[in-house]
Amino acid sequence: EAQVTQNPRYLITVTGKKLTVTCSQNMNHEYMSWYRQDPGLGLRQIYYSMNVEVTDKGDVPEGYKVSRKEKRNFPLILESPSPNQTSLYFCASSLSWENEQFFGPGTRLTVL
Amino acid sequence: QKEVEQNSGPLSVPEGAIASLNCTYSDRGSQSFFWYRQYSGKSPELIMSIYSNGDKEDGRFTAQLNKASQYVSLLIRDSQPSDSATYLCAVYGGGFKTIFGAGTRLFVKA
Repeated sequence: EAQVTQNPRYLITVTGKKLTVTCSQNMNHEYMSWYRQDPGLGLRQIYYSMNVEVTDKGDVPEGYKVSRKEKRNFPLILESPSPNQTSLYFCASSLSWENEQFFGPGTRLTVL
Repeated sequence: QKEVEQNSGPLSVPEGAIASLNCTYSDRGSQSFFWYRQYSGKSPELIMSIYSNGDKEDGRFTAQLNKASQYVSLLIRDSQPSDSATYLCAVYGGGFKTIFGAGTRLFVKA
């Protein structure tokens, strides 16, 4: 089944404790992206990747890191999480940057 | 700052009516436009894509694009209670970024 998977689905952590949210797609898509969704603000792009080893900042990259060492995986790293990073996070992928994006199930992160 | 604006709603329509959802965008260089539907607690899923001026129809859904006015809309005919969701407008523009609107909540009353 073609899909985008994210882990974990739910995470409660404390300020400053490094964490990684994994994202994997099995559709051989080139473009992958991370979004955060907050009430009233919609989906905001954090980082995106055009292909392996090619990543760039979206609109809200502060406090996040990403890497794209393999085509299928695009992990999101929070080196020192803060409460303002409490949000619902979505990973998405598409064939190329101008095609429709397929979204993962979401990761609900709470930083205390 | 490139922007995509949507009326947050909620938009309430009776079952069987036409629901009209609107979106404006600021980047004149935008080339690809998408409507996604998001049910509460779920991830967004694609409804329609449109790339050129005019109308594009798919079943009960019609997307309309007017690049001169920087306006894209989604019409849902014969609205059903199952159409009740948040509808997100997405614009893919320069710099390979994706800009989403905040979404319009739609309620279809049975």
